[in-house]
Amino acid sequence: EVQLVQSGGGLVRPGRSLRLSCAASGFTFDDYAMHWVRQVPGKGLEWVSSISRDSGSLGYADSVSGRFVISRDNAKSVLYLQMNSLRPEDTAFYFCARGRQGSWGFNWFDPWGQGSPVSISS
Amino acid sequence: QSALTQPASVSGSPGQSITISCTGTSSDVGGYNSVSWYQQHPDKAPKLIIYDVIKRPSGVSYRFSGSKSGNTASLAISGLQAEDEAEYYCSTFTSSSSYVFGTGTKVTVL
Repeated sequence: EVQLVQSGGGLVRPGRSLRLSCAASGFTFDDYAMHWVRQVPGKGLEWVSSISRDSGSLGYADSVSGRFVISRDNAKSVLYLQMNSLRPEDTAFYFCARGRQGSWGFNWFDPWGQGSPVSISS
Repeated sequence: QSALTQPASVSGSPGQSITISCTGTSSDVGGYNSVSWYQQHPDKAPKLIIYDVIKRPSGVSYRFSGSKSGNTASLAISGLQAEDEAEYYCSTFTSSSSYVFGTGTKVTVL
């Protein structure tokens, strides 16, 4: 069974950092692009970041560019999102999702992790 | 990148058919055959139901179908069932090398 299990959410103060993890199983992790998408409770979905299968190509939403870093460890089948200089507006549920094989462009998101709550408040 | 425009809500009786629209621009929906649709039940992760405009993943009911005309994509649900009551989002890759989602549509089964 293809599965994405997330960890690492929590409550942090503005300006601090947090790292999310997404452990993959049930498929050949290093064949697939991976993505992060976030959702403010009760609101819509927002793309955050994407990474190609070999980490050679990365993409970021303007709202997080320069503050967030996406990475992956193909040996461990884990996707990461390092979130720095966090702001109250970053408060959301963060989902990891598998893309298609290869590049992160022209993808769909399937499946999704269970979501990690991130709350930024003083 | 502005969110794609979806109707806030659509409703129908069991057995009926409904359609959800997703309107963008030539830089996103109209420019690529990369539209996907997601179903999200309350407090659950989204689930892919349509990709590449018209393709249905294995295990997704044939009652779900996708299409596109110009800058507007559409999701049709036929034979509406109680379990179809959920929030639905469209998404596509854009000319800015980013992804954009729709504003979301709440489907209510009357």
